[in-house]
Amino acid sequence: DQQVKQNSPSLSVQEGRISILNCDYTNSMFDYFLWYKKYPAEGPTFLISISSIKDKNEDGRFTVFLNKSAKHLSLHIVPSQPGDSAVYFCAATNYGQNFVFGPGTRLSVLP
Amino acid sequence: DTEVTQTPKHLVMGMTNKKSLKCEQHMGHRAMYWYKQKAKKPPELMFVYSYEKLSINESVPSRFSPECPNSSLLNLHLHALQPEDSALYLCASSQGEQGLGSYNEQFFGPGTRLTVL
Repeated sequence: DQQVKQNSPSLSVQEGRISILNCDYTNSMFDYFLWYKKYPAEGPTFLISISSIKDKNEDGRFTVFLNKSAKHLSLHIVPSQPGDSAVYFCAATNYGQNFVFGPGTRLSVLP
Repeated sequence: DTEVTQTPKHLVMGMTNKKSLKCEQHMGHRAMYWYKQKAKKPPELMFVYSYEKLSINESVPSRFSPECPNSSLLNLHLHALQPEDSALYLCASSQGEQGLGSYNEQFFGPGTRLTVL
């Protein structure tokens, strides 16, 4: 049973437009959520995170939104750049225990 | 130094071999993790060390044996592996295993690509 789901295996976006990556979770005990970006043959790189006590966190071009009642979070990238093309993993944890990754969404930003 | 390093980058071993994967960080992090990632799948947590003590073992077969000699080093000893153990093995570290906020942000190494023949 997948506790963290990313229902879109892939997403294509034009350069300069907004990319929206979605993530759903089932475990209401998760209290912290993270987004990682992964290029081929490299380890995941931490992007941005959000605590369950917040509903939004922004860092430059990246914004994460959390809707606790819907158990849904999303990552917005604006403007999207070709260098953003990678696989994006959503991850969730409960006080550092039970650290779970979603299956990933492959983002392609087209020039 | 904000890097997690892993050696070797690639490893090919037979099913009767004994080998070790190494991971190192100098960020003062007190939690270190081993993950296994198969192609086109998310990383799966294997082990967590917190303050050099094994705190989580996600039902990993005994042919994988972790070791944390000190707070900067994490090893994964491999013995009698199976071809299905071929995968990318990722090491990560974070400030602390338990706690709020940034304690949970894990920094990953580049991984060791393991092939078992």
